Amino acid sequence: AQSVAQPEDQVNVAEGNPLTVKCTYSVSGNPYLFWYVQYPNRGLQFLLKYITGDNLVKGSYGFEAEFNKSQTSFHLKKPSALVSDSALYFCAVRGEYGNKLVFGAGTILRVKS
Amino acid sequence: GAGVSQTPSNKVTEKGKYVELRCDPISGHTALYWYRQSLGQGPEFLIYFQGTGAADDSGLPNDRFFAVRPEGSVSTLKIQRTERGDSAVYLCASSSTEANTGELFFGEGSRLTVL
Repeated sequence: AQSVAQPEDQVNVAEGNPLTVKCTYSVSGNPYLFWYVQYPNRGLQFLLKYITGDNLVKGSYGFEAEFNKSQTSFHLKKPSALVSDSALYFCAVRGEYGNKLVFGAGTILRVKS
Repeated sequence: GAGVSQTPSNKVTEKGKYVELRCDPISGHTALYWYRQSLGQGPEFLIYFQGTGAADDSGLPNDRFFAVRPEGSVSTLKIQRTERGDSAVYLCASSSTEANTGELFFGEGSRLTVL
């Protein structure tokens, strides 16, 4: 069965500094990896995905993520954080032969001015 | 519609009552998912529809939970004999592809409170 670990409950970063939100996964076969963001009282919004190809994928709002197969990781990154990036971030994985998307517990990102 | 629509946005009920939650997916999306999100946790998979049929219902916690999608569009999640532990936000999502590479588009959820 697939699973996702987000080891940090919360990440704090100063505005303008780079940010990283960590994610590791476990799945049979090739992974399909996703990042979603959730603002208060809103639904989840898709940020980016890795299916195949280049290990560095770029997504919405300047976010990017790096797939590392040997470390089974898919960390979310942004070169320069904005206060408006403050939200709850979820990493998710599905296997290449399945349709069930499994989410991590989420990481709260707080960007302070 | 432009996005996934869920109704009601909030539902308060008493223990033991029956509840229905409705999801209207993005037009043309064949795949539909239900998730449950409890406070401080990530979304938990409940059931996945491909068209009218439930392709994977392995996440339904027990036989009090049931979901239908009779015409391959709107779906209803039904909870019988509600318990306080059923309180959560129920999320619906849809996707345009049968392949599992597409992202899911989520509604804003139905918050269920069982007193």
